[in-house]
Amino acid sequence: AQTVTQSQPEMSVQEAETVTLSCTYDTSENNYYLFWYKQPPSRQMILVIRQEAYKQQNATENRFSVNFQKAAKSFSLKISDSQLGDTAMYFCAFQTQGGSEKLVFGKGTKLTVNP
Amino acid sequence: NAGVTQTPKFQVLKTGQSMTLQCAQDMNHEYMSWYRQDPGMGLRLIHYSVGAGITDQGEVPNGYNVSRSTTEDFPLRLLSAAPSQTSVYFCASRGYRGLTIYFGEGSWLTVV
Repeated sequence: AQTVTQSQPEMSVQEAETVTLSCTYDTSENNYYLFWYKQPPSRQMILVIRQEAYKQQNATENRFSVNFQKAAKSFSLKISDSQLGDTAMYFCAFQTQGGSEKLVFGKGTKLTVNP
Repeated sequence: NAGVTQTPKFQVLKTGQSMTLQCAQDMNHEYMSWYRQDPGMGLRLIHYSVGAGITDQGEVPNGYNVSRSTTEDFPLRLLSAAPSQTSVYFCASRGYRGLTIYFGEGSWLTVV
């Protein structure tokens, strides 16, 4: 069974600075997808970024980028130029390729951006 | 385009009561699923469906029932509510060839 571990329950960063959230996972699959979801206080689940395991290039979406290390089973999220609106819970999630609907989530990291 | 719509947003139930959480999507997505989120936890899959008439169990299916009579709708039924089912419930959907899973806004359920 796949597992996802987020080892940082809480983190804080100053506005405009850079922060990195960690995520490791365990799987015997070779093809899969990884996601970072943001959950603000409204509880809406918002997709931040996704990575296909077969792609060597790290995904980037504006101020958000990932460091995907397939051999190490590591998938960290870097937020550059942090903004107050980035304050939220961040969840790392794993999905096997091939139509399985099961997203396996980590327990989340609560990120606070301070002014 | 409303996306994934869940109703009700808030509900308080008494132990033993039954209720249905409604979920509808207007994106013609084949895949739909229900998750629950408990304090300090990520989301956990309850049930999912890969198309009309097809459903399957996820990680925590006990106490819940689903059906998928149309592509658009995927209701979640609590047959006899228990305090352990107090949680936030999320419905989600995606297209057959899509990678992005779209979530509804969540339904807050309290069982007393």
